[in-house]
Formats: sequence, C-alpha cells, structure tokens
Amino acid sequence: AQSVTQPDIHITVSEGASLELRCNYSYGATPYLFWYVQSPGQGLQLLLKYFSGDTLVQGIKGFEAEFKRSQSSFNLRKPSVHWSDAAEYFCAVFTGGGNKLTFGTGTQLKVEL
Amino acid sequence: DTEVTQTPKHLVMGMTNKKSLKCEQHMGHRAMYWYKQKAKKPPELMFVYSYEKLSINESVPSRFSPECPNSSLLNLHLHALQPEDSALYLCASSLQISNQPQHFGDGTRLSIL
Repeated sequence: AQSVTQPDIHITVSEGASLELRCNYSYGATPYLFWYVQSPGQGLQLLLKYFSGDTLVQGIKGFEAEFKRSQSSFNLRKPSVHWSDAAEYFCAVFTGGGNKLTFGTGTQLKVEL
Repeated sequence: DTEVTQTPKHLVMGMTNKKSLKCEQHMGHRAMYWYKQKAKKPPELMFVYSYEKLSINESVPSRFSPECPNSSLLNLHLHALQPEDSALYLCASSLQISNQPQHFGDGTRLSIL
C-alpha cells in the first residue's frame, strides 16, 4: 500500500539556519506528493505539491522540495528558517486511486532564537 | 486567510447532546472531506463527498452523520458521542475528488464531557 514516512518526530534549528525535513514514500508508480504545515490551533496549509515534471518544486513561504525517485524521497527544504516557521509539518501522498490523502506522522519543528 | 470556513471553532457537548459542525467553501470545489485529528497525530479521513454524493465512508461510527446539502456546504451531525471522540475536526475541499490538492479549514475543536 502507498504510504509516506517521516523519520524525524522533532527537529530543532536556530533561526537563520537551513532546514531539511525528510519524507520517504512507498509507491510503485509516480506518486502525487504534498507538504502541509499546521500551526498550533489551526488547520493545514498546503506548502507545495509534486505531480510530475520538474523534480524541484517551489512552494510558498520560501520552501522547496525535491523529488528523488532513486531514493524514494521528497524532502522539504528552506535556506533560512524564521521563528514563525515553528509548526508541525506533514508529508502526504494520494492513495486509493487518488481519492484519499494519506499523511505521514508529522515532524514538529522548533526554532531557537 | 483560509478559504474553507468552519463553524463553530470550539464546541463542548455532553454525550447525550445533538450538535452539528458546519463547513463552507466558495471556490467552486466539487469534492469535500471530513477529517478527524487527535492531538500529536496526523489527520484521519472520515468521509468524502463528490458532487454532493457520499463517495467514501471510512467505516465511521453511525453517531457521526455527514450531510452535503449543496456544493458549497458540508455538515457533520453529531449524536451520542463518546469521550474518545474529542478531537479537532477538519473540513477540506478540492476541485475534484481525484488527484487534486485539498484545501483545509481551521477546524472545530470538539470536547465531549
């Protein structure tokens, strides 16, 4: 079955430092992949998506992600983290023939000032 | 600002009460979703509506009853809930049911006494 795995439960970075959040997928064909962010007490905001084509995807808030088929990965990156980036980040993949969105377990990002 | 509006933001109810959660979107999306999210966990799909018809029910207990009166509105009727039903309930919508990014509301925080 299609799934995504986020190996890091918690990550702490200093403000201004670079960030990489890991996501590994399990899927036979080319998956449809997403990154969402959830701030405390709020819903999920779509950061970026990968459907096909260019493997480096640009998103909102200065985030980007790279799809690597050889590594079954879709890691999220940001060159310089801001304190407001502290939140929960979810990687997700379409399953069930594209009708269902299945989430990873999430990575909690803490930003030290 | 989210384009999917959920009301109320918070709801406290007893186990014998009947209440409803409401979700509204005006983006012309024809697929709408209910998710349940427990603390420190990813969202879990409950129901999917496509063109106002129930398409997916993830074996949700009958004390949760969804309704889609028109293409912009999605309700979740609650009756005889259990304490373990306390969670954040998220609504989402997408252009179509298959392989389209989902846009989430901020959720309703539900507490069962």
